Amino acid sequence: AQSVTQLDSQVPVFEEAPVELRCNYSSSVSVYLFWYVQYPNQGLQLLLKYLSGSTLVESINGFEAEFNKSQTSFHLRKPSVHISDTAEYFCAVSSDGGFKTIFGAGTRLFVKA
Amino acid sequence: GAGVSQSPSNKVTEKGKDVELRCDPISGHTALYWYRQSLGQGLEFLIYFQGNSAPDKSGLPSDRFSAERTGGSVSTLTIQRTQQEDSAVYLCASSLVHLATNEKLFFGSGTQLSVL
Repeated sequence: AQSVTQLDSQVPVFEEAPVELRCNYSSSVSVYLFWYVQYPNQGLQLLLKYLSGSTLVESINGFEAEFNKSQTSFHLRKPSVHISDTAEYFCAVSSDGGFKTIFGAGTRLFVKA
Repeated sequence: GAGVSQSPSNKVTEKGKDVELRCDPISGHTALYWYRQSLGQGLEFLIYFQGNSAPDKSGLPSDRFSAERTGGSVSTLTIQRTQQEDSAVYLCASSLVHLATNEKLFFGSGTQLSVL
């Protein structure tokens, strides 16, 4: 069975500082990995995804995540955060041949001025 | 419709009553999921429908929970004899599935269920 662990429930950070949100997964087969974001009072939406190919994937708003198979990780990073990045971030995994998507518990990113 | 639609947006019920939550997925999406979002619990997988295959019910927390998907489109999640611990936001999501690639999930706005 697959599972997702997000090690930090909350991450407070000052504006323009770098941030890393950690995600580790467990699966016995090949995986597809996702980060979803939920802004305050909004629904969940896809931020970025890894399906195959380059292990480094990027979003349009400056976030990136790197698939590390040996460490079974898919950490999310941004070199300089904005107030508007304040949201809850969910890491998710689905496996090759099985389309069920499992989510982590979420990390609440709080960007302070 | 343009997106995943869920109704009602809010539901307040008394302990012991039954509730039905509805989800209209995006037209043409073959996969449909129900998740539960509780404070501090993240997104808990409940059930997954894919085309005409038997649903994956492995996430349903008890036999009080059931779900149907009629005609491969609209889905209803039913909670019988509701308990206070059932209070949560129930989210529906749908996606396209191509070959072995899992497409992204499109989420509805959720139903906030409050059991008094």
